[in-house]
Amino acid sequence: SQQGEEDPQALSIQEGENATMNCSYKTSINNLQWYRQNSGRGLVHLILIRSNEREKHSGRLRVTLDTSKKSSSLLITASRAADTASYFCATVVDQTGANNLFFGTGTRLTVIP
Amino acid sequence: NAGVTQTPKFRVLKTGQSMTLLCAQDMNHEYMYWYRQDPGMGLRLIHYSVGEGTTAKGEVPDGYNVSRLKKQNFLLGLESAAPSQTSVYFCASSYDTGNGFSNQPQHFGDGTRLSIL
Repeated sequence: SQQGEEDPQALSIQEGENATMNCSYKTSINNLQWYRQNSGRGLVHLILIRSNEREKHSGRLRVTLDTSKKSSSLLITASRAADTASYFCATVVDQTGANNLFFGTGTRLTVIP
Repeated sequence: NAGVTQTPKFRVLKTGQSMTLLCAQDMNHEYMYWYRQDPGMGLRLIHYSVGEGTTAKGEVPDGYNVSRLKKQNFLLGLESAAPSQTSVYFCASSYDTGNGFSNQPQHFGDGTRLSIL
């Protein structure tokens, strides 16, 4: 399977702390995307980083990509209770003719007020 | 602007029954997808469509059929439901930039929770 894996599976932090989630994948990619899923809801796109980029920022989010290690990390700074959700990485494999978007198993983040 | 709407939200079926899940999007997106989400396995692509009248198989297509008769709608059918198809089903859509749809974020509905007894 080309599915990625997030680490840790679950993370619990205090409000105001930073949260770091990691994603590892198996094959070369075109880009990697991070999504958030609140309980009982659909996924919401957070950020996309291309294979030729190493770091990207969006508000309190910082994503890094290391293609040599086939890994990415998502950092949420100054966390809030509203950040409580599951976070998924999804890789787009460098192929043509199909939508090869492979999701990881997710990290469940709990931010304690 | 509703985005991606899935109906029904919940359904319980008996083994062998058939049903159709409906996905509608109002963003004029070319691409639409059906995923299933199972505990500990993330989302897996069932089928997708790159435009009206076209469909293609994803990672786990067996036991499912799809149709895209209108651009805004993407239907997922279960011909003969099996307990292994108990899952949460998500529909998504994305924009076509003309440079490869895999470079665009996908927009998701809130899912259909399907239980098969």
